[in-house]
Amino acid sequence: SQTIHQWPATLVQPVGSPLSLECTVEGTSNPNLYWYRQAAGRGLQLLFYSVGIGQISSEVPQNLSASRPQDRQFILSSKKLLLSDSGFYLCAWSEGLPRTDTQYFGPGTRLTVL
Amino acid sequence: DQQVKQNSPSLSVQEGRISILNCDYTNSMFDYFLWYKKYPAEGPTFLISISSIKDKNEDGRFTVFLNKSAKHLSLHIVPSQPGDSAVYFCAASARKQGAQKLVFGQGTRLTINP
Repeated sequence: SQTIHQWPATLVQPVGSPLSLECTVEGTSNPNLYWYRQAAGRGLQLLFYSVGIGQISSEVPQNLSASRPQDRQFILSSKKLLLSDSGFYLCAWSEGLPRTDTQYFGPGTRLTVL
Repeated sequence: DQQVKQNSPSLSVQEGRISILNCDYTNSMFDYFLWYKKYPAEGPTFLISISSIKDKNEDGRFTVFLNKSAKHLSLHIVPSQPGDSAVYFCAASARKQGAQKLVFGQGTRLTINP
């Protein structure tokens, strides 16, 4: 069966510090990968998605970037964190082709920027 | 522009009764709809989905209804159980090549009272 891992589970970082969140998927090949953010009291906002190694699409302009160095690894980064980057970050995966819309989420990372 | 809306931020239902969660969408290109359940500090869990070619899909205690003309879908939980207390998100996607981008509603917090 497929599993998705995220770490760390929680993170407290000062403003201006760098960020690296990691997501890995097991039990599948060539998945589509996604990064979402849930701000306090809000729904989930898609930040980035990837259909293959090195292929990253950004949904909203922001202070963050994503990379996919391996087929089942997705990394969310920032060079300098802002207060507004605080939130709950979720990684998700879905099957690649043929098309499937169901996405499965990881446990999330709670990021607090002080 | 909120393309997927859950107008009820919260809902309280007695154990054993029916819970009905509602969701409206504005984009007529959406052709696949999903419901997720989320506990605090955890990632969303996929519950049930429906394609736009259907108007009903049932899985155990969960049934999703889709009314395309009204651009409305609902999730029915019968009978409601205390473990159903969580935040429920509806999500929608439109046919595209590559990764399927989900648009989420803001969520409805469901509380099941004993």
